[in-house]
Amino acid sequence: AQSVTQLGSHVSVSEGALVLLRCNYSSSVPPYLFWYVQYPNQGLQLLLKYTSAATLVKGINGFEAEFKKSETSFHLTKPSAHMSDAAEYFCAVLRVTGFQKLVFGTGTRLLVSP
Amino acid sequence: EAGVVQSPRYKIIEKKQPVAFWCNPISGHNTLYWYLQNLGQGPELLIRYENEEAVDDSQLPKDRFSAERLKGVDSTLKIQPAELGDSAVYLCASSLLGGAQETQYFGPGTRLLVL
Repeated sequence: AQSVTQLGSHVSVSEGALVLLRCNYSSSVPPYLFWYVQYPNQGLQLLLKYTSAATLVKGINGFEAEFKKSETSFHLTKPSAHMSDAAEYFCAVLRVTGFQKLVFGTGTRLLVSP
Repeated sequence: EAGVVQSPRYKIIEKKQPVAFWCNPISGHNTLYWYLQNLGQGPELLIRYENEEAVDDSQLPKDRFSAERLKGVDSTLKIQPAELGDSAVYLCASSLLGGAQETQYFGPGTRLLVL
């Protein structure tokens, strides 16, 4: 069955620093992978998705993620953090066995300090 | 374009009471999802509708939870009776056709507290 693991429930960076949020997946078939962001008291918003095209995926707000099959990873990065990036980030994989559905990780809270 | 609308945004009830949540998806979106998000966790799918048909309700606790999507547009999720463990955020999402790669658009959620 498809699943994702997010390493680190909290990540703290300074404004202007590199953002790296880790996600590893488990899948016996080529996966569809997603990153969503959730701002306080709001729903989830899609940042980017990998659908087996280019391995480097660019998303909104300057975020990007690289699919690495050899490492079973799909880490999210942003070169320079902004205060407005503070939020909860969820990695998800599309489960394709049985009923198709998104399976989310437990999330990583990004804290950005001035 | 209006996003997914949910109401109420917050609800506090006593255990054993009923509660209902309402969702209005993005206009034209055929697929509607209800998710449960516990504190510190990612969302978990409860039920998925394609038009008015529930195509995946395998994770819906049917002894106390029910859902409907009349006319394939708005949807209501009900809990009767509520238990303390039901305290969570209930998210609604919609997508145009529900295909594997389609983007799901989420509403702001209803935060439920059961006392």
